[in-house]
Amino acid sequence: GQNIDQPTEMTATEGAIVQINCTYQTSGFNGLFWYQQHAGEAPTFLSYNVLDGLEEKGRFSSFLSRSKGYSYLLLKELQMKDSASYLCAVHGNAGNMLTFGGGTRLMVKP
Amino acid sequence: DADVTQTPRNRITKTGKRIMLECSQTKGHDRMYWYRQDPGLGLRLIYYSFDVKDINKGEISDGYSVSRQAQAKFSLSLESAIPNQTALYFCATSDLGAGQGSNEQFFGPGTRLTVL
Repeated sequence: GQNIDQPTEMTATEGAIVQINCTYQTSGFNGLFWYQQHAGEAPTFLSYNVLDGLEEKGRFSSFLSRSKGYSYLLLKELQMKDSASYLCAVHGNAGNMLTFGGGTRLMVKP
Repeated sequence: DADVTQTPRNRITKTGKRIMLECSQTKGHDRMYWYRQDPGLGLRLIYYSFDVKDINKGEISDGYSVSRQAQAKFSLSLESAIPNQTALYFCATSDLGAGQGSNEQFFGPGTRLTVL
């Protein structure tokens, strides 16, 4: 079966750093996605990790450890506009589908 | 112009009514997906299609049907809507197969459906 866990909610302060964790247990693994979703809007792509290690893209970085079934999304220099839900999704072996976690709602406060 | 469009964007209907949600894409992708999103449950896959002749059930297909009318069009139907189908519905597309790249999915703007 597929199981993806991430915290339901997090709060952080503008200008700070926040780390959103994701653990997964899936039948096969081809890669892990992070998407950002503002309330009522479509998810938008943030990052994709296939190999172990850290991928950095501006203020956002994503880390993967396949042996531990673990990933995190790191957001630096938080801005108010970063208030959104962050979705972890695993591309497993079941065809071409993604399995999504429940999402982490991040609230950035002044 | 949006690459993935959904119509309608909002719909309120009554229990027992038949509803069709439509999705169109101009990305030229072969693969299309329908998801529903409920608070705290993330995105759950309803149906997916890898090409015009290929339709597959996802995690929660009961109560839904789909039609892939063309490469660019994938519609979702609720034959007899019930209140627990109230949710936000997203269509998505992707281009690459497993092991061939990022397999990023591109999402439409969503349809908010309320069944009374």
